[in-house]
Amino acid sequence: EDKVVQSPLSLVVHEGDTVTLNCSYEVTNFRSLLWYKQEKKAPTFLFMLTSSGIEKKSGRLSSILDKKELFSILNITVTQTGDSAVYLCAAPTGNQFYFGTGTSLTVIP
Amino acid sequence: DGGITQSPKYLFRKEGQNVTLSCEQNLNHDAMYWYRQDPGQGLRLIYYSQIVNDFQKGDIAEGYSVSREKKESFPLTVTSAQKNPTAFYLCASSIQAHHVDVGSPLHFGNGTRLTVT
Repeated sequence: EDKVVQSPLSLVVHEGDTVTLNCSYEVTNFRSLLWYKQEKKAPTFLFMLTSSGIEKKSGRLSSILDKKELFSILNITVTQTGDSAVYLCAAPTGNQFYFGTGTSLTVIP
Repeated sequence: DGGITQSPKYLFRKEGQNVTLSCEQNLNHDAMYWYRQDPGQGLRLIYYSQIVNDFQKGDIAEGYSVSREKKESFPLTVTSAQKNPTAFYLCASSIQAHHVDVGSPLHFGNGTRLTVT
């Protein structure tokens, strides 16, 4: 059965901390893993990872994929209150995208 | 600017009534999807459509119906047969699902929050 599992389910940190969010997957015919940020409404696309060991970076956010161990991590450095959101990872297989349950991140001033 | 428009933002209905959620996209995307989001359960796929006049059931299709008469539109009807319809509903689109690994992530609408009492 295809599945995507995220951990932790929730996280509370102080501004300036660094956080690491985890996503493990088991999907048939793996092609890519995607990260999204959801603040109340529409999830917004962050990264798509297809190759193992190659880091994708955007400002304070970065992500890497390990295709051997079947997981990905999303790092956020020097967190800000605006980083508070639910972070979702997803893996497409066949004609569907399988989503994890998300990690709810709260950044306290 | 292209995007996905869902309406209404909030919807309240009495138990036993059917209700239709609207989803329109002007991204010229072939594939469209409906997801349901409940606290602690992530996004679960209800229905998806790859082309006009064709659609497939997702993991939780019971109690829902869809149509795809136009490429731009993919309305979702929540029927009275859906046992627990109160949830946040997200519509999404992509160029084509099987092209996702060459740069075609899902684009989401802002969602409709449905409350049934």
